[in-house]
Amino acid sequence: DVQMTQSPSSVSASVGDRVTITCRASQGISSWLAWYQQKPGKAPKLLIYAASSLQSGVPSRFSGSGSGTDFTLTISSLQPEDFATYYCQQANSFPYTFGQGTKLEIK
Amino acid sequence: EMQLVESGGGLVQPGGSLRLSCAASGFTVSSNYMSWVRQAPGKGLEWVSVIYTGGSTYYADSVKGRFTISRVNSKNTLYLQMNSLRAEDTAVYYCARARTTDLHDAFDIWGQGTMVTVSS
Repeated sequence: DVQMTQSPSSVSASVGDRVTITCRASQGISSWLAWYQQKPGKAPKLLIYAASSLQSGVPSRFSGSGSGTDFTLTISSLQPEDFATYYCQQANSFPYTFGQGTKLEIK
Repeated sequence: EMQLVESGGGLVQPGGSLRLSCAASGFTVSSNYMSWVRQAPGKGLEWVSVIYTGGSTYYADSVKGRFTISRVNSKNTLYLQMNSLRAEDTAVYYCARARTTDLHDAFDIWGQGTMVTVSS
């Protein structure tokens, strides 16, 4: 199975900050990487697919990059509604696997 | 509006069975790749199973041989039959649609989730 490792596991930041979350795959997954945002008690929401493509309706302050084994999610200017947990997911091979999550908290 | 609504969760004893349903609206289940994803309390996300448009199915090793994914086209509904349930199957179960019928695509529509608790 492909192991997905996110860092950091948690991060504190302020409104307006730029935040970067990284995701590393245990083997190459081309660009088959997605990022999701999840708020407490809610379903995950797709932000980025194919490593760098912005899902329709998602604000442009979210961006993704990377290929192979190393990927990043960047939020250019944090808004109050962005405080949540973020997950990466590989869709290169079965079983699809997720990172352990990064909790983004208000400083 | 495209939507998924799960139902069927509840409390079940170890070794018991449960069938989850996921009713779709605004799109056709049989024309999409549909998955189940679960999340144990306070934990991360775990992919469980997928059914392709042609009917092929795949499962996580943790549920293989115990869970069965299926769909009923006339009801536009996805199902997850769960047998021989274990305490470690306790989780919120989400159904999710793949964004396209590309084998490698992400999940763009999710249901609200249904809670399954396996306990005596």
